[in-house]
Amino acid sequence: GAVVSQHPSRVICKSGTSVKIECRSLDFQATTMFWYRQFPKQSLMLMATSNEGSKATYEQGVEKDKFLINHASLTLSTLTVTSAHPEDSSFYICSARDILSPRSTEAFFGQGTRLTVV
Amino acid sequence: LAKTTQPISMDSYEGQEVNITCSHNNIATNDYITWYQQFPSQGPRFIIQGYKTKVTNEVASLFIPADRKSSTLSLPRVSLSDTAVYYCLVGAVSGAGSYQLTFGKGTKLSVIP
Repeated sequence: GAVVSQHPSRVICKSGTSVKIECRSLDFQATTMFWYRQFPKQSLMLMATSNEGSKATYEQGVEKDKFLINHASLTLSTLTVTSAHPEDSSFYICSARDILSPRSTEAFFGQGTRLTVV
Repeated sequence: LAKTTQPISMDSYEGQEVNITCSHNNIATNDYITWYQQFPSQGPRFIIQGYKTKVTNEVASLFIPADRKSSTLSLPRVSLSDTAVYYCLVGAVSGAGSYQLTFGKGTKLSVIP
């Protein structure tokens, strides 16, 4: 099946610094990618929809200036957590859909990034 | 987006068949039903998808009644490695060709030796 690669798998950063997470579709093109956040023992919560060549769409309550999303190509979307604080510590997951499968809702997920802000 | 309801947790012994039922009473005509599996600290993994009746692949079967207001994921002869959280999602492709997946709370399956 299609592969979505997320990097890094885990990162520790100091409070106040910024962290960039990359999400790549390795063998398919994705005009749309999604970014989720998952806190311990909770479900995935959609943060934003990343659209290639245009601005991302953020879910209610998600600060767009804090979570910068760039989707510069059909295979790469990045999420930058700016001025990170300990409460931003979480598991961040991206997903993408193969645009050649328009009738399917099958999405492929990255392996996730464990962010710890100290 | 259709809301889904699943049991919060289930226990099963190794080798048994496990059936997890999901309710989605307000499923729309063009919605598909998809099940994902998630292990701790990993992204969800696609298990199976269906629209109606029965779908079977190498890892699971999906049963969908005629009214499509529920679906049942069937895992044959589970092993310890099947211990995970299982999510049922419903969604469709919008006119723009994009969609959103909304995750419910999922079902935590614990397989006991």
